[in-house]
Amino acid sequence: GENVEQHPSTLSVQEGDSAVIKCTYSDSASNYFPWYKQELGKRPQLIIDIRSNVGEKKDQRIAVTLNKTAKHFSLHITETQPEDSAVYFCAAILTGGGNKLTFGTGTQLKVEL
Amino acid sequence: GAVVSQHPSRVICKSGTSVKIECRSLDFQATTMFWYRQFPKQSLMLMATSNEGSKATYEQGVEKDKFLINHASLTLSTLTVTSAHPEDSSFYICSAREKGIYGYTFGSGTRLTVV
Repeated sequence: GENVEQHPSTLSVQEGDSAVIKCTYSDSASNYFPWYKQELGKRPQLIIDIRSNVGEKKDQRIAVTLNKTAKHFSLHITETQPEDSAVYFCAAILTGGGNKLTFGTGTQLKVEL
Repeated sequence: GAVVSQHPSRVICKSGTSVKIECRSLDFQATTMFWYRQFPKQSLMLMATSNEGSKATYEQGVEKDKFLINHASLTLSTLTVTSAHPEDSSFYICSAREKGIYGYTFGSGTRLTVV
């Protein structure tokens, strides 16, 4: 089945700096890659997603890049703010298996003042 | 936008009892419902997938007789944790998908504590 690896597990940045989180996936047939932000005790919140037919997508301070050949995708957050502090999960659709989302292991992002 | 209502948000039960968690899609038809479990500081682990009117498909290592899933309608799915034990204490969360739509709508989660 699909396997999604995520790095780093923790990331600490200064306010205003950029943060980058990287994920790799194993199933070359995967075609949908969402990123979620989860605050403690809350549901995952979709922040951006990308489909396999594009290489990059941007929404204000957040961007995602996808390299299908290398089977990796990254989340980029610019001009980080304290409210960006949370756990971020990447995910990939496991195609042909009921479209199950397989999640990465998560990255605890801390934005320090 | 799409909303999934999940109840209860928190539940404490005694060891050996059963607990039912309910997820309702409020403004769309949840043709597929996914049930996840999340232990502290860990990722979301898929437990099972259910399609409306069909038996649920369980992930390897998940006991189907212990975690009963019902998806009898397009707007309601339930997860029953039977004979709960302290090790079942976790954050349970559902995620609904509408046929033909890429997006996944998550419930608000249920914090289960078994004492």
